[in-house]
Amino acid sequence: QKEVEQDPGPLSVPEGAIVSLNCTYSNSAFQYFMWYRQYSRKGPELLMYTYSSGNKEDGRFTAQVDKSSKYISLFIRDSQPSDSATYLCAMTQETSGSRLTFGEGTQLTVNP
Amino acid sequence: GAVVSQHPSWVICKSGTSVKIECRSLDFQATTMFWYRQFPKQSLMLMATSNEGSKATYEQGVEKDKFLINHASLTLSTLTVTSAHPEDSSFYICSANPGQPVNEKLFFGSGTQLSVL
Repeated sequence: QKEVEQDPGPLSVPEGAIVSLNCTYSNSAFQYFMWYRQYSRKGPELLMYTYSSGNKEDGRFTAQVDKSSKYISLFIRDSQPSDSATYLCAMTQETSGSRLTFGEGTQLTVNP
Repeated sequence: GAVVSQHPSWVICKSGTSVKIECRSLDFQATTMFWYRQFPKQSLMLMATSNEGSKATYEQGVEKDKFLINHASLTLSTLTVTSAHPEDSSFYICSANPGQPVNEKLFFGSGTQLSVL
């Protein structure tokens, strides 16, 4: 069983839709949770960063962490075609060094 | 956010040759950098952790003699794929941690697509 599970999709939505992306994990020691966006043949770009449980909002993006359920989510409101990319969840238990464990990534397409 | 520069973006080489990929942190010092490998439609697989001034730490299954890592300064790490073969063709990405105030945030380079003929 993988430490981090993420539905690879592909996920296709119309422009303006609310997108929900999720990951589950098995290692209860994970404390830091991140979402990265990766365009084709580019390096991942950090979107959201959350420590422990709770919500965090940044513009159209909201990240949620539920450590009791070992479940994290990323919501994208008013999705745009430019949001079309692969979204990777990542997490780590370390306070330094940042040895991340990544999900498989969900491929999202937002259709105009 | 912090900037990590990676070069080259694309490289095509003949089988048996060596290829060097550079990763630079442009506006911060990074005592630790990470090298990942990514196959099409798959996630990032950590290959090794590069430590400034000391030997790299390789993940299980990664050949240290094939993937040479040098972290000679606080802003530069290099990955050399020695005697490259077609199965080494992949997307290689480096990342670095800017440290304070939050150690956990990683910033990634733009990646290097290696094609070995």
